[in-house]
Amino acid sequence: GNSVTQMEGPVTLSEEAFLTINCTYTATGYPSLFWYVQYPGEGLQLLLKATKADDKGSNKGFEATYRKETTSFHLEKGSVQVSDSAVYFCALIANTGNQFYFGTGTSLTVIP
Amino acid sequence: EADIYQTPRYLVIGTGKKITLECSQTMGHDKMYWYQQDPGMELHLIHYSYGVNSTEKGDLSSESTVSRIRTEHFPLTLESARPSHTSQYLCASSRDGRSPLHFGNGTRLTVT
Repeated sequence: GNSVTQMEGPVTLSEEAFLTINCTYTATGYPSLFWYVQYPGEGLQLLLKATKADDKGSNKGFEATYRKETTSFHLEKGSVQVSDSAVYFCALIANTGNQFYFGTGTSLTVIP
Repeated sequence: EADIYQTPRYLVIGTGKKITLECSQTMGHDKMYWYQQDPGMELHLIHYSYGVNSTEKGDLSSESTVSRIRTEHFPLTLESARPSHTSQYLCASSRDGRSPLHFGNGTRLTVT
């Protein structure tokens, strides 16, 4: 079956620290992979995506590389800001289906 | 800016009342989804639709119902609200099976 496992939080970092949020997946075929971000009181917004192996998605200083050999899609940012405080969700959609599979979310708090 | 709109944003209602949560999108997307998000942040798919007159139940058993009479509109109805229905409800849409989901800002429902 299809599933996403992501690092549990909450994560608290100081401003300008390096961020990694781990995400691994199980899927049939060749899924597309996504990171979504949810700010307080809002819905989820697409942060970045990758549709095939070795693709790197990037946006707003965040990056994630689709690693088929390790079935991973870890989110990274070199220097976090207070405004990055949010909940981050890893997700996939398999190429054989129409349903999205989400991880459980990782809450990030960045302190000045 | 949101191309998918949910109303109301907040709703407090008494037990036993019938309620309808509205969701509309202006992107012409065929696929639409309803998720319930619990306080621990995890998303649970409760209903989805692949087009007009097509609706399916999701992974989470729900006492709600949905309809899809028009492409742009996907309302969710609770016939008799209960305190266990207290949650955040997120509506989403996508263009096709591999495209990212677009989310509304959610409806936070409290049943007293």
